[in-house]
Amino acid sequence: EVVLTQSPGILSLSPGERATLSCRASQIVSNNFLAWYQHKRGQAPRLLIYGASSRATGIPDRFSGSGSGTDFTLTISRLEPEDFAVYCCQQYASSPYTFGQGTKLEIK
Amino acid sequence: EVQLVQSGAEVKKPGESLKISCQASGYSFISYWIGWVRQMPGKDLEWMGIIYPADSDTKYSPSFQGQVTISADKSINTAYLQWTSLRASDTAIYYCVRRMTGYFFFDYWGLGTLVTVSS
Repeated sequence: EVVLTQSPGILSLSPGERATLSCRASQIVSNNFLAWYQHKRGQAPRLLIYGASSRATGIPDRFSGSGSGTDFTLTISRLEPEDFAVYCCQQYASSPYTFGQGTKLEIK
Repeated sequence: EVQLVQSGAEVKKPGESLKISCQASGYSFISYWIGWVRQMPGKDLEWMGIIYPADSDTKYSPSFQGQVTISADKSINTAYLQWTSLRASDTAIYYCVRRMTGYFFFDYWGLGTLVTVSS
């Protein structure tokens, strides 16, 4: 089973700042089959990124994904107030399809 | 607009049975795999399994095989997650998810159903 470890657990930033979230896999994620989701309390999780770097439909271009192999990054270039949420990565290269524990992005 | 509308919160006792639902709209229900993801309190999300409503082909995560049953009724665009005998450890939020065609990531999610199992 591929274990995904996200860091940091909590990230405190201000609107307008740049956020960099990490997701590290315990083994190579083949084909860069890695997705990122945003989850706000009381809302359905939302797909942001798939294939490590492809934005999902309707996702603003301030969100970008990068990385390959075992190390992946989600970057939010300039934080908007609505971006403060929990972010979770998921690998879909091998079953069982596992998730990271999440990074909480909070307002500083 | 794609929507996955889940049934409401449940409070059950250990040993009881339960079936929760997810009604899909805004797309062709039989054309996409639909499934379930669990989040236990304070824990990571866990993929449980998925079903293809057109033919009821079902795939389970090894951790959930034999523990739950996933089914679908294509006549009413609804997927189900069922337990025959609940345990306290089944206490969690259960999310209904639509699988992107060809890949095992999830492009739409429901709001989640909170299941509490307590004596």
